[in-house]
Amino acid sequence: EIVLTQSPATLSLSPGERATLSCRASQSVGSYLAWYQQKPGQAPRLLIYDASNRATGIPARFSGSGSGTDFTLTISSLEPEDFAVYYCQQRNNWPPRLTFGGGTKVEIK
Amino acid sequence: QLQLQESGPGLVKPSETLSLTCTVSGASISSSSYYWGWIRQSPGKGLEWIGNIYHSGSTYYNPSLKSRVTISVDTSKNQFSLKLSSVTAADTAVYYCARTLPCSGGSCLNWYFDLWGRGTLVTVSS
Repeated sequence: EIVLTQSPATLSLSPGERATLSCRASQSVGSYLAWYQQKPGQAPRLLIYDASNRATGIPARFSGSGSGTDFTLTISSLEPEDFAVYYCQQRNNWPPRLTFGGGTKVEIK
Repeated sequence: QLQLQESGPGLVKPSETLSLTCTVSGASISSSSYYWGWIRQSPGKGLEWIGNIYHSGSTYYNPSLKSRVTISVDTSKNQFSLKLSSVTAADTAVYYCARTLPCSGGSCLNWYFDLWGRGTLVTVSS
């Protein structure tokens, strides 16, 4: 099983600051990585898929990069609504198998 | 507007079978473009993929749960369902149903979930 490790566990920032979140895979996942945002009491929301493609309706301040085992989600300038927990997710090519990272909480400093 | 809605008992006894249904409204589950999946989240913890199903009935399961999981589809009702047998307290979680991104470039393995239900809390307790 591919294990995804996210860091840091918590990121304390102020609105307007840049957020950089990391996701590291235990083995190469190519570009098959997504990022989700989850707010309390809500389902996750897809932000980025295939490492760098923004999902429909996602603001341009969210961007993803990386390939292989190291991936980054960047929020260029934090808006108040961006304070949430962020998860990465990978998918194996074959057999199809999905795993999620443990999450990074972005909190208001 | 496409929506997914989970339904089922909120309390299940240990050793029994957890059964949930996801009703899809606003679109046909028989669309050849999507897989449909179940994901759970234990209280205060992260996300765990349970399995996916295609409208044809083709299924893929998380190996760690495979021996206890059955996912099925009822296209006539526009629903898909989850059964998890021999539950323990460790199966207490919010269970989500979700839809994957559509098939693209000849691949139907774009298994990223772009549409989710609101989730339903299932507690395993006697």
